[in-house]
Amino acid sequence: QLQLQESGSRVVKPSQTLSLTCALSGGSISSGGYSWTWIRQPPGKGLEWIGYIYPTGSTSYSPSLRSRLTMSVDMSENQFSLNLSSVTAADTAVYYCARGRDTLDAWGPGILVTVSS
Amino acid sequence: DVRMTQSPSSLSASVGDRVTITCQASHDISNSLNWYQQRPGKAPNLLIFTASNLEAGVPSRFSGGGSGTHFTLTISSLQPEDIGTYYCQQYDNLPRTFGGGTRVEI
Repeated sequence: QLQLQESGSRVVKPSQTLSLTCALSGGSISSGGYSWTWIRQPPGKGLEWIGYIYPTGSTSYSPSLRSRLTMSVDMSENQFSLNLSSVTAADTAVYYCARGRDTLDAWGPGILVTVSS
Repeated sequence: DVRMTQSPSSLSASVGDRVTITCQASHDISNSLNWYQQRPGKAPNLLIFTASNLEAGVPSRFSGGGSGTHFTLTISSLQPEDIGTYYCQQYDNLPRTFGGGTRVEI
C-alpha cells in the first residue's frame, strides 16, 4: 500500500527558502502515470492547492505562488520536493503531499512549517 | 479561478440524522468534483470522486450528486466517526480549488 511522508525544516526564517520532500514507500513515483501534488493548510483554515509535478518534471503551479515556487522529482530516491522562496508568516501552514493530478487519493500525514525569526 | 462555495460552513446533527452539504461552483465544471473528509488533526481523505463515485473502502452511507455548478454530499445516517471537516475540490480548471469546508459536529 502506497505511503507518503513529508520531511524538511519545520521552522524557516522570513525571507529564506522553505524546502520539503515527500518520500514514497510501497510504490514507485514513476509508475501508473500519476502526478504528485502539494497542498497546504494554514492553521485553522482551509486547503490551498500549491501545484503538481509529473515524473517527467512537467509542472503546474498556483499562479499566486509561481514566482517563488520550484518542484522537482528524484526518481532514484523515489521522492519529490518543493522549494518556496522568500517566505513570510503567511506561508506558515501544514504542508501535505498527495498522489494525483485531478483526484488526490493518497496523502501524507502533513508537516507543520512555521515561518518565524 | 473557479470559486467553490460550500454551505453550511458548520453544522451540528445527531447520530442517525441525514446530513447534506452543498458545494456551488462559480463556473460550469461538469462532474469534475471530488469530496474529502478531514478528521481533526489528520490529513484529508478522499470520499467521492467525479461527483458521485464512492472511493473504495468508504462507507455506503456517503453519497455524492450533482453536475455543472451545484453539487451535494449526503451522509444518510450520521455516525460518531463522521465528525470532521468536509471539502469539495474541482479539477475542471487550473488552478485546482477547494471549497472553504463544512465542519460537522455531533
